[in-house]
Amino acid sequence: EVHLEQSGPEVIQPGESLKISCKASGYNFETYWIAWVRQMPEKGLECMAMIYPLDSDVKYNPSFQGNVTISVDKSTTTAFLQWSSLKASDSAMYYCVRGSVGPSPFFDYWGQGTLVTVSS
Amino acid sequence: EIVMTQSPATLSVSPGERVTLSCRASQSLHTNLAWFQQKPGQAPRLLISGASTRATDIPARFSGSGSGTEFTLSISSLQSEDFAVYYCQQYKNWPRTFGRGTKLELK
Repeated sequence: EVHLEQSGPEVIQPGESLKISCKASGYNFETYWIAWVRQMPEKGLECMAMIYPLDSDVKYNPSFQGNVTISVDKSTTTAFLQWSSLKASDSAMYYCVRGSVGPSPFFDYWGQGTLVTVSS
Repeated sequence: EIVMTQSPATLSVSPGERVTLSCRASQSLHTNLAWFQQKPGQAPRLLISGASTRATDIPARFSGSGSGTEFTLSISSLQSEDFAVYYCQQYKNWPRTFGRGTKLELK
């Protein structure tokens, strides 16, 4: 059974760094894209970045490039999203999602979400 | 970036009714279109991919249709557990983009 288990909620002060995680299980981690999706309070869904673990090929949404870094650890089948300096506007729910097989993957499995609150 | 437009934003319906939700893309997707359901406090769940293929364990009352730029999601007989927000998403191009959602609320 495919499962994406995300790290717990975070309360962070502005300017601090943060790395959230997504532990994947139940499938061959290396050969499926994995992505991060942001959902701000009462707002829609935005795809931030996507990575192919086998070769670490990465795609960033231009709206997020430079502000976040996506990475994976193949040895622990874990994906990460990190910020070097958070702002209040980064407060949101963040979901990791698995991309389906095929040349144009869609998001077939979702993690439970990690709530990030940036506040002084 | 492909812009996805969903209508209506909110739909007031009664259990047992048939509902149709619309999604329009700013350029042709062929059939690279997915639908998701999100209930309060939960992650979105995949309902439909390829514009019309139901995901695993999705009831047959959910159906998708369309191609190119116009798509619909239909629920044949609304159940109480179907009151939620529904999002369409294109996966033809990067970045993947979502519509703003249609909320089904109890009439």
